[in-house]
Amino acid sequence: GAGVSQSPSNKVTEKGKDVELRCDPISGHTALYWYRQRLGQGLEFLIYFQGNSAPDKSGLPSDRFSAERTGESVSTLTIQRTQQEDSAVYLCASSLGLRGYTFGSGTRLTVV
Amino acid sequence: AQSVTQPDIHITVSEGASLELRCNYSYGATPYLFWYVQSPGQGLQLLLKYFSGDTLVQGIKGFEAEFKRSQSSFNLRKPSVHWSDAAEYFCAVGPTGANNLFFGTGTRLTVIP
Repeated sequence: GAGVSQSPSNKVTEKGKDVELRCDPISGHTALYWYRQRLGQGLEFLIYFQGNSAPDKSGLPSDRFSAERTGESVSTLTIQRTQQEDSAVYLCASSLGLRGYTFGSGTRLTVV
Repeated sequence: AQSVTQPDIHITVSEGASLELRCNYSYGATPYLFWYVQSPGQGLQLLLKYFSGDTLVQGIKGFEAEFKRSQSSFNLRKPSVHWSDAAEYFCAVGPTGANNLFFGTGTRLTVIP
């Protein structure tokens, strides 16, 4: 597509439920990134996919967080047993390397 | 420790005034450097980037930034601010050999008439 698409744009979930966030990168972009942005804070790196290589999961905050990507297409970020501190905007970006990220509009997750 | 610092959390300027947003980083080698802007409820938009060469880079919307190696800084400037520039601005650094960008905590710009 023309840009990075994320869905849903907003998600309200009850504490303890699992959620899945979706990211459709720009076609042809081999790299895909997930970031978390808490209210009033900067972006926190979560995970990075590059082609068919093993993902860099060094930013995932706990084992409740996981992500998958099939080839160079869609990625899903899954948060299990959500907690209130998981409330944030989750941003996805894709690129052909570090030289230019394109961000999606994000998914605003609210855990109540 | 490796870090990206934006020392100004919030800046208020009058429309038409000049603007400078500060960014300092601490990484070993000269990294890739970026400035992004985020309007409320939106994703991040790339304003400009520096990889090598001329240390003064021009971006979109009339913004420019200057890389100063001796100061490990990459400050963003605009000679005359417009009301539509009100947004959150993020400096980002891509260290050599890293897989991802590291972001500062952002500077919120308010523009008053």
